[in-house]
Amino acid sequence: QVQLQESGPGLVKPSQTLSLTCSVVGASISTRGDYWTWVRQHPGKGLEWIGNIYHTGTTYYNPSLESRITISVDTSRNHFSLKLDSVTAADTAIYYCARVRFHFSGQLVPLFDYWGQGALVTVSS
Amino acid sequence: EIVLTQSPDTLSLSPGNRATLSCRASESISSTYLAWYQQKHGQAPRLLIFGASTRATGIPDRFTGSGSGTDFTLTINRLEPEDFAVYYCQWYGGSTEYTFGQGTKLQI
Repeated sequence: QVQLQESGPGLVKPSQTLSLTCSVVGASISTRGDYWTWVRQHPGKGLEWIGNIYHTGTTYYNPSLESRITISVDTSRNHFSLKLDSVTAADTAIYYCARVRFHFSGQLVPLFDYWGQGALVTVSS
Repeated sequence: EIVLTQSPDTLSLSPGNRATLSCRASESISSTYLAWYQQKHGQAPRLLIFGASTRATGIPDRFTGSGSGTDFTLTINRLEPEDFAVYYCQWYGGSTEYTFGQGTKLQI
């Protein structure tokens, strides 16, 4: 059973850095072909993709957030992390981590197949 | 940049009814990369459909995805109480482009 769990401070002050970690249980973060992702959801709103990481450390970021985000991976601890710099109230959201498994059906199709329960991060002084 | 627009924003139906949810892309996209997710209140999203029409593992056959080009549809037959949730379509446009629609809330 694959399980993901987000952890980190639930309250961050404006202009500071939001830091979250996603611990993965029941799967190896080094599995070939699997990527690991962060998605956020503003209160009462839709979903926004933040970025992906591969176990090698290769990252792909949402261009709209790229200047402020860093996603890293620690294969020895089987977890990956998100840092979001210079936060404002607009960064208040539920942050989800998930696995992206690429399914081959003629072409490689990304499936967000396992998700963490989400971590609410509020930006406020 | 592809924009996905879902309609309606809210759909009110009863158990046993059929739900038809729409996802329209701002330009023609490959159906290979169109997925649907279900999100129940207070829970993480769950993958329902990928490749526009392929059900994910464990998804009941009352969920059907269809469409091509710019217009995609998620149909839910014989609504069960547990189907009332928010549904999102998603498109994968490449390594740095994962776009979600704004969601359709299916309510009783």
